[in-house]
Amino acid sequence: QAQVVQSGAEVKKPGASVKVSCTASGYTFNRYHMHWVRQAPGQRLEWMGIIKAGGGIRIYAQNLQDRVTMTMDMSTSTVYMELSSLTADDTAVYYCARELPDTYQFDLWGQGTLVTVSS
Amino acid sequence: QSALTQPVSVSGSPGQSITISCTGSSSDVGSYNLVSWYQQQPGKAPILMIYDVNKRASGVSNRFSGSKSGSTASLTISGLQAEDEADYYCCSFTKTLTYVFGTGTKVTVL
Repeated sequence: QAQVVQSGAEVKKPGASVKVSCTASGYTFNRYHMHWVRQAPGQRLEWMGIIKAGGGIRIYAQNLQDRVTMTMDMSTSTVYMELSSLTADDTAVYYCARELPDTYQFDLWGQGTLVTVSS
Repeated sequence: QSALTQPVSVSGSPGQSITISCTGSSSDVGSYNLVSWYQQQPGKAPILMIYDVNKRASGVSNRFSGSKSGSTASLTISGLQAEDEADYYCCSFTKTLTYVFGTGTKVTVL
């Protein structure tokens, strides 16, 4: 069945970067957009951005656009999210979530990746 | 982009109906019928429940329904069951081609 599996938990120091992966299987990878959503401990979901099917178009949340980069490797059906200049406020669970183009819904989510930023 | 506003918590007894509101603006909820709702159990990834304001996702019970009036969307859970206890988030597409989530609502079954 369709699934997206994310990389494991990370611990980073302030100022460092983190790169989280999201590998798809069980469906046609290049027909779907992929979003990234994060959730700080005890807090709400926060949309981070989208990399559209094919990887050519990316749209980032305004508050993150200077620090976030989303990329796609079609050969491995994997999407990556890299966040730089980390601070304690970036400590969160990061999720990838699939969207069939022009449906505006996230119908399949990864299991989440905990990123902890601590000195 | 400010978060959509939801009540912090809503509660009800088994069998009752509850409604969760989600208030946005003319930049998001008020301009598009592209509101979705997600259920999140503790420590788990969110699950799509409702999309396009009022369409149920595959496999979702017909006890869940959605609606919208102006810039406020709503999720109603009828025949409340213990398994419905979870956090619920609304989400809307916006005029800046981005998405915004709600503040989240904790549903408690008494």
